[in-house]
Amino acid sequence: KAGVTQTPRYLIKTRGQQVTLSCSPISGHRSVSWYQQTPGQGLQFLFEYFSETQRNKGNFPGRFSGRQFSNSRSEMNVSTLELGDSALYLCASSGTGTFSGEQYFGPGTRLTVT
Amino acid sequence: AQRVTQPEKLLSVFKGAPVELKCNYSYSGSPELFWYVQYSRQRLQLLLRHISRESIKGFTADLNKGETSFHLKKPFAQEEDSAMYYCALRGSNYQLIWGAGTKLIIKP
Repeated sequence: KAGVTQTPRYLIKTRGQQVTLSCSPISGHRSVSWYQQTPGQGLQFLFEYFSETQRNKGNFPGRFSGRQFSNSRSEMNVSTLELGDSALYLCASSGTGTFSGEQYFGPGTRLTVT
Repeated sequence: AQRVTQPEKLLSVFKGAPVELKCNYSYSGSPELFWYVQYSRQRLQLLLRHISRESIKGFTADLNKGETSFHLKKPFAQEEDSAMYYCALRGSNYQLIWGAGTKLIIKP
């Protein structure tokens, strides 16, 4: 099976812009989670989707949003970018059923905000 | 409260020495715990789950409910074990709760 893929791998944006990141889960996986990873804060949970429904959201401002499509592919959007949004954004997929702690991660999208 | 604590940000040991990465958790109910590893320039990946009680790459982890711990151990460290290790708890609301991670450095 192909692994989790994320596009683009690298992005450079300017403060105030918006960005959309994409994630394709492992075939058959219906749960997709998003994380922000930074050296200072470690892994921070953004949100989790299952069958196009957001089931949980972390403590991030409303500028961070996401969605999931019927084929389980997911996107996350960050509007009005701030310098502090610079991070590695990870997507993980799991399970054919309900949420599983056994997650498969993508390589991440490295976002740099200047 | 649901929480995972990894008290060591950095752990440095010599090759061949035993390794123990500490993980403590807070959870009401029956916990489900995981260790994930991230090698340099590789993606984060599952190392082991407590429910499978298996040994992966020589690592084992035992759930101690009395001490609310899930420490990761290996009797003889190898240089290729150098990586970032994360302990995670399956929370009650469709998320994994992560520790801050421990960077393991194996010195030759």
